[in-house]
Amino acid sequence: SQQGEEDPQALSIQEGENATMNCSYKTSINNLQWYRQNSGRGLVHLILIRSNEREKHSGRLRVTLDTSKKSSSLLITASRAADTASYFCANDYKLSFGAGTTVTVRA
Amino acid sequence: NAGVTQTPKFQVLKTGQSMTLQCAQDMNHEYMSWYRQDPGMGLRLIHYSVGAGITDQGEVPNGYNVSRSTTEDFPLRLLSAAPSQTSVYFCASTPVYGGGNGGYTFGSGTRLTVV
Repeated sequence: SQQGEEDPQALSIQEGENATMNCSYKTSINNLQWYRQNSGRGLVHLILIRSNEREKHSGRLRVTLDTSKKSSSLLITASRAADTASYFCANDYKLSFGAGTTVTVRA
Repeated sequence: NAGVTQTPKFQVLKTGQSMTLQCAQDMNHEYMSWYRQDPGMGLRLIHYSVGAGITDQGEVPNGYNVSRSTTEDFPLRLLSAAPSQTSVYFCASTPVYGGGNGGYTFGSGTRLTVV
């Protein structure tokens, strides 16, 4: 079984709006990572948050981590058409991935 | 600096044929892994290696073999291809198990169709 689950499965927003997606996991972790996958391409690492961190920022990305709830969230602010992609969370337990959230940003 | 290179990009096999998917990285990463991606299933770990000479099974290892004779290369062998192995295969690497500071670097994938 997969170690991470993203929610929602799909998200459609207008350009300029914020996109929020969530991730739940089952095992204890040392870190949790978020990746982006554009259609037909490989995954690209976005951001890593360690288990002793609660929030982390990188550009328009904001990640939170709640180890007590075994959950994380990824916020993309001021979305752009180029943010259209699938987003995956992965924990460091053999880098297990959920099924991802597909984000569509409408112009 | 090429990163992670996967070959071939596309492959069509007949049921029962065998083949090797190649993966090479030039970043001197110790940890390498193979995933398959199917629609709606996300990525599932097939095999991984924490260094040359050391490999282990992931979530879905049946029908696949791996070896790691060098730090740079981590080939994935399909022993007797089956239609259920139709998928997109990704290879990934990282300096340390768990991703370190920079996460994992992925190859661009191999699209395999078994007919």
